[in-house]
Amino acid sequence: GAVVSQHPSWVICKSGTSVKIECRSLDFQATTMFWYRQFPKQSLMLMATSNEGSKATYEQGVEKDKFLINHASLTLSTLTVTSAHPEDSSFYICSARDPRQGDNYEQYFGPGTRLTVT
Amino acid sequence: DQQVKQNSPSLSVQEGRISILNCDYTNSMFDYFLWYKKYPAEGPTFLISISSIKDKNEDGRFTVFLNKSAKHLSLHIVPSQPGDSAVYFCAASRGSTLGRLYFGRGTQLTVWP
Repeated sequence: GAVVSQHPSWVICKSGTSVKIECRSLDFQATTMFWYRQFPKQSLMLMATSNEGSKATYEQGVEKDKFLINHASLTLSTLTVTSAHPEDSSFYICSARDPRQGDNYEQYFGPGTRLTVT
Repeated sequence: DQQVKQNSPSLSVQEGRISILNCDYTNSMFDYFLWYKKYPAEGPTFLISISSIKDKNEDGRFTVFLNKSAKHLSLHIVPSQPGDSAVYFCAASRGSTLGRLYFGRGTQLTVWP
């Protein structure tokens, strides 16, 4: 099956600094990747859709200047949390669709990144 | 607006018995439905899916049933095993949104010996 990796798996940063999270599709090329955020005991909240070679599409209420997304290649998308604050502490998960599956809408998820802002 | 709803936050089942997880949706345009399993501090893993042209899909111990008229789907796990204990998310998609998934809030399944 398709594999998606994320790095780092866990990061602690100080308030005001920026943190970059990487999402890679390891055995397929993904023109579209998705970034989610999950609060404790809550559902997965879609933050943005990352499209290779073009600007990301952000969901309503998500600050695009705070959560910078770059999908520079078919196997890599990055999420940068700028000027992080404690309320940004959360579990961030990326996913990707394997275009070889055609109309199958299955997404493959990365293992997630736990961000803690102190 | 929660378009996919899982009204039971938790379910407890004895090992060997059937687990039934339920999911309701409001958007009649959804044409593909998926179930994901998630352990703490890990990403969701795909379990099983069903297209709106079907009403049942089976894969080993897992069966998903779709009732389009009721906008309801369910996941049956039989027999349940302790390793099935996890959070199960229901998700839905429609073709026009290029794969965007709408998730429910999840149901914590606990299978006890």
